[in-house]
Amino acid sequence: GQNIDQPTEMTATEGAIVQINCTYQTSGFNGLFWYQQHAGEAPTFLSYNVLDGLEEKGRFSSFLSRSKGYSYLLLKELQMKDSASYLCAVRALGYQLIWGAGTKLIIKP
Amino acid sequence: DAGVIQSPRHEVTEMGQEVTLRCKPISGHNSLFWYRQTMMRGLELLIYFNNNVPIDDSGMPEDRFSAKMPNASFSTLKIQPSEPRDSAVYFCASSPPGEAYGYTFGSGTRLTVV
Repeated sequence: GQNIDQPTEMTATEGAIVQINCTYQTSGFNGLFWYQQHAGEAPTFLSYNVLDGLEEKGRFSSFLSRSKGYSYLLLKELQMKDSASYLCAVRALGYQLIWGAGTKLIIKP
Repeated sequence: DAGVIQSPRHEVTEMGQEVTLRCKPISGHNSLFWYRQTMMRGLELLIYFNNNVPIDDSGMPEDRFSAKMPNASFSTLKIQPSEPRDSAVYFCASSPPGEAYGYTFGSGTRLTVV
């Protein structure tokens, strides 16, 4: 079957660094996406990885290891506005994205 | 670029009534997706259109749900008759050609069936 696992909830402190992990088992792999979703809003695109390694985009970075079926999203210099759910999604074969349940990130002052 | 436009933003209806949700994808995007999101089940794909043609509707819960895409700039999701368990946020998303692109989501329609 197809499966994506990520922690349900994480808590971090403003100004700190947090790493959100995602592991996947899918039939085929054509890329991994991270989305951010604030409460009551739509998911918005953060990053895309298709090759192994780290992609850096400002305070956010995303890492992929295809051999391990593993990715993480790294958030630096946390701000209160980073409090949101973070969704990991894998494009296995064809068009469809397979979605994780999301990690709710709580930022404390 | 106005993004993906959905209407209405909120809908409250009585059980048994017909509900129609509307979506305008981003111009040039050839894939359109209807999703439902609930706390219990997360994001669920209901139906996928490519070039206005329904490709996969295996996620549509039952015959009460139907979706159309009469042209590249408009799609509807209809529930008839609606039931309380249909209460959820319904998102429309579109994507351009190419695997490297993710989806752009609309703001969603929060449906409450009482």
